[in-house]
Amino acid sequence: EVQLVESGGGLVQPGRSMKLSCAASGFTFSNYGMAWVRQAPTKGLEWVATISYDGSSTYYRDSVKGRFTISRDNAKSTLYLQMNSLRSEDTATYYCTRDQYYSGDFNWFAYWGQGTLVTVSS
Amino acid sequence: DIQMTQSPASLSASLGETVTIECRASEDIYSNLAWYQQKPGNSPQLLIYDANSLADGVPSRFSGSGSGTQYSLKINSLQSEDVASYFCQQYNNYPPWTFGGGTKLELK
Repeated sequence: EVQLVESGGGLVQPGRSMKLSCAASGFTFSNYGMAWVRQAPTKGLEWVATISYDGSSTYYRDSVKGRFTISRDNAKSTLYLQMNSLRSEDTATYYCTRDQYYSGDFNWFAYWGQGTLVTVSS
Repeated sequence: DIQMTQSPASLSASLGETVTIECRASEDIYSNLAWYQQKPGNSPQLLIYDANSLADGVPSRFSGSGSGTQYSLKINSLQSEDVASYFCQQYNNYPPWTFGGGTKLELK
């Protein structure tokens, strides 16, 4: 069974940093593209960043480019999101997601974790 | 960027009713569309991909259709467990992968 478990969320002041982790199990992590999707309180879904199965390619939404870094450790089956210079508008639940297919282009978000809440406030 | 517009934003329906949710893309997305269900307090779950393919374990009362820029999600014989928010998402042209604004479905 595919399991994605996020951690690292919490309250952080504007301008500070936070690192999210996502522990994956139930599948061969190194074979799949991964992504972060966020959801502000009572709002819709917003794609944040994607990383290819081998980490060679990364993509970011414009609003986080230069501030957020997605990375992965295939030996530890763990996905990360380093978030710097946090803003109030980054407040959201962050979901770790997995692509559907083995080593392909990332298309839809087939599996989701339970999410971790990041609150940016002074 | 491809914009995804969902309608209605909310709807109320009775048990057993058939419900349809629409999703319009700002350009042709060639059926590269997924639908997600998010029950209150839960993570989103994949319902449909490639516009009309049911994900594993999804009840057959759910169906997707459409082409070009216009797509729809239909729920036949509405059940109480279908109360949720529904989101469409395009993957034809990325980044960014983009979602519709969502439709909140409630029971009448």
